[in-house]
Amino acid sequence: NAGVTQTPKFRILKIGQSMTLQCTQDMNHNYMYWYRQDPGMGLKLIYYSVGAGITDKGEVPNGYNVSRSTTEDFPLRLELAAPSQTSVYFCASSYPYGGSNQPQHFGDGTRLSIL
Amino acid sequence: GENVEQHPSTLSVQEGDSAVIKCTYSDSASNYFPWYKQELGKRPQLIIDIRSNVGEKKDQRIAVTLNKTAKHFSLHITETQPEDSAVYFCAANPQTGANNLFFGTGTRLTVIP
Repeated sequence: NAGVTQTPKFRILKIGQSMTLQCTQDMNHNYMYWYRQDPGMGLKLIYYSVGAGITDKGEVPNGYNVSRSTTEDFPLRLELAAPSQTSVYFCASSYPYGGSNQPQHFGDGTRLSIL
Repeated sequence: GENVEQHPSTLSVQEGDSAVIKCTYSDSASNYFPWYKQELGKRPQLIIDIRSNVGEKKDQRIAVTLNKTAKHFSLHITETQPEDSAVYFCAANPQTGANNLFFGTGTRLTVIP
């Protein structure tokens, strides 16, 4: 298993541009998440999904959109990029086995700079 | 929502000594508390977790303790080694959404050889 795969690894955007960060997992996990990590800070949840066709907002959803058309893929869309969105973005997934909490598995991250 | 505070923000120890990192949480409904290790430029990796029905859990040199009454939990690393140097994050799950996690701000641990 490749686990959670994110592309691209690095990207520089100009203010006002748009882009999609890709995330795919091959572990058949129902739950998927997008976090951002600002320098020297912890991770903050942007959006999450409990399954195909279902998404919901996390702590910091403004300026982002997501979709979940398949179990495997959970892309994050940035519209009208702003300097405040400069961050490292992590995608994660987990499996709700037995209804109890299960560990989240993270991808390698996408380092995004908005100039 | 849940608020997780983590202390200290930096910690330096001599190789072989113990390190302790502490976290507090605000939501009494939280029932799952993982700890992640993040090396520079890498993904967070789970090192240990504990659920609210357990007070302590140990895995070789790493242990986590949970005090539900006081709403705090701690990571203990014994016999530290240089490869333990990294940023450590605690997190809490308040049973909202899809087991969503709220993270602390991290502790940068440096083990001095």
